Amino acid sequence: EVVLTQSPGTLSLSPGERATLSCRASQTVSNNYLAWYRQKRGQAPRLLIYGASTRASGMADRFSGSGSGTEFTLTISRLEPEDFAVYYCQQYSISPYSFGQGTRLDIK
Amino acid sequence: QWHLRESGPGLVEPSETLSLTCVVSGYSLSSGYYWSWIRQPPGRGLEWIGSVSHGGSTYYNPSLQSRLTISLDASNSQFSLRLSSMTAADTAVYYCAAGGGISVAGGWGQGTLVTVSS
Repeated sequence: EVVLTQSPGTLSLSPGERATLSCRASQTVSNNYLAWYRQKRGQAPRLLIYGASTRASGMADRFSGSGSGTEFTLTISRLEPEDFAVYYCQQYSISPYSFGQGTRLDIK
Repeated sequence: QWHLRESGPGLVEPSETLSLTCVVSGYSLSSGYYWSWIRQPPGRGLEWIGSVSHGGSTYYNPSLQSRLTISLDASNSQFSLRLSSMTAADTAVYYCAAGGGISVAGGWGQGTLVTVSS
């Protein structure tokens, strides 16, 4: 089973700042089958990035994904109020298709 | 744009079987995509339960496979989950979702909370 470890657990930043979230896999994620989701409180998650770096339809260009192999990064260039939420990475390369434990992005 | 909505009981007794249905509007299930179930225990992270392809092929989380059935009913625009031998550990918000890859969820239902308790 592929274990995804996200860091940091909590990130405290201010609107307008840049956020960098990390996702490390316990084994290689083939074909860069890595996705990122944002989950606002009380809502279903929303797909941000798939294929490690492709923005999902309708997502703002302040979201970008990078990485390969076992190390992946989600960058939010300028934080908007709606970005303060929990972020999950997910690998869909090897079953069971697993999620990271999440990074909480808080307002500083 | 597709819309997904879960339906089913909010309370299940221990050892009973959970049955959930996801009704899809705005897209024909037989045309493509993978249709998935994902759950989230209260205050915790996400767990992929399983998926069914537009052709009816199923993909299950091995940890749940012995208790799990996912099926597609394209003629009625819905897909379903059955999870047997429910325990308190199965208490969670259950989401149905859809996407271009197995378990990748570009669209989500609003989720339904299922509590296992007598």
